[in-house]
Amino acid sequence: SQQGEEDPQALSIQEGENATMNCSYKTSINNLQWYRQNSGRGLVHLILIRSNEREKHSGRLRVTLDTSKKSSSLLITASRAADTASYFCATDGAAGNKLTFGGGTRVLVKP
Amino acid sequence: DTEVTQTPKHLVMGMTNKKSLKCEQHMGHRAMYWYKQKAKKPPELMFVYSYEKLSINESVPSRFSPECPNSSLLNLHLHALQPEDSALYLCASSQEERGHGEQFFGPGTRLTVL
Repeated sequence: SQQGEEDPQALSIQEGENATMNCSYKTSINNLQWYRQNSGRGLVHLILIRSNEREKHSGRLRVTLDTSKKSSSLLITASRAADTASYFCATDGAAGNKLTFGGGTRVLVKP
Repeated sequence: DTEVTQTPKHLVMGMTNKKSLKCEQHMGHRAMYWYKQKAKKPPELMFVYSYEKLSINESVPSRFSPECPNSSLLNLHLHALQPEDSALYLCASSQEERGHGEQFFGPGTRLTVL
C-alpha cells in the first residue's frame, strides 16, 4: 500500500519556471526522501529530510516538511529540460524498516 | 564505486522458462532490495536482505525466488511467470538496513513475459 500520495500527478512547465509538487503521508516517519526517475530507468536519490527538520536545500531543490500536516513539498527552481522526469517521495515509518513510495509526479519541462 | 549494476538490461521469457536477474554493488552496503515497477506506477517493494539474510518478503508469489550469495550480490530467480509479471525490476542497496537512509538504485531489468 502507498504511504505517500503526490499531487499533481503530472506537471508541464516552460524552461526557467519553477515546479512544485506535494506529498502527503499517513503515519509517523523517521524521514522523507525524494527521488527522480528518468523514463523507465533507475531512481536517483535527491534529498532526505528528517522528521525534526522543516526545510532543506540542495542546489536548485528546496524541500519542506510539515509533520503536523503529514505533508512535504519539493520545489525545483529555474527548471531545465533535463529536469524532465518522474519525481517520487518515499517515507519510512518510525517503527518500520522499509521505504514506501508515493504515486509520483511526472514533470515535463518544455524548452 | 557508487554504482549498482543489474543484468540483463532486457529479458524476454516464456511462461515455462527459468531465468535469473542479477544485481551487484561494491559500496559495502549491508541491505539490498528488489522492487517491481509497472508503467507509470511507483516501485513496489518485493524483498529486503539485511546482512545477507532475508528480512522482508512482501507476500511475493513463490515463482519469484531471491538469493543473496554474498554481501555484494543479489539474485532474483524466476520460474513459471505470468504475463502480468512483466515490469521493470529494480535492485537497490543502502548502508542502513532499516531503510532509514538513502537507497542507491540500479538501472533495472525490463522483463517481458510472453
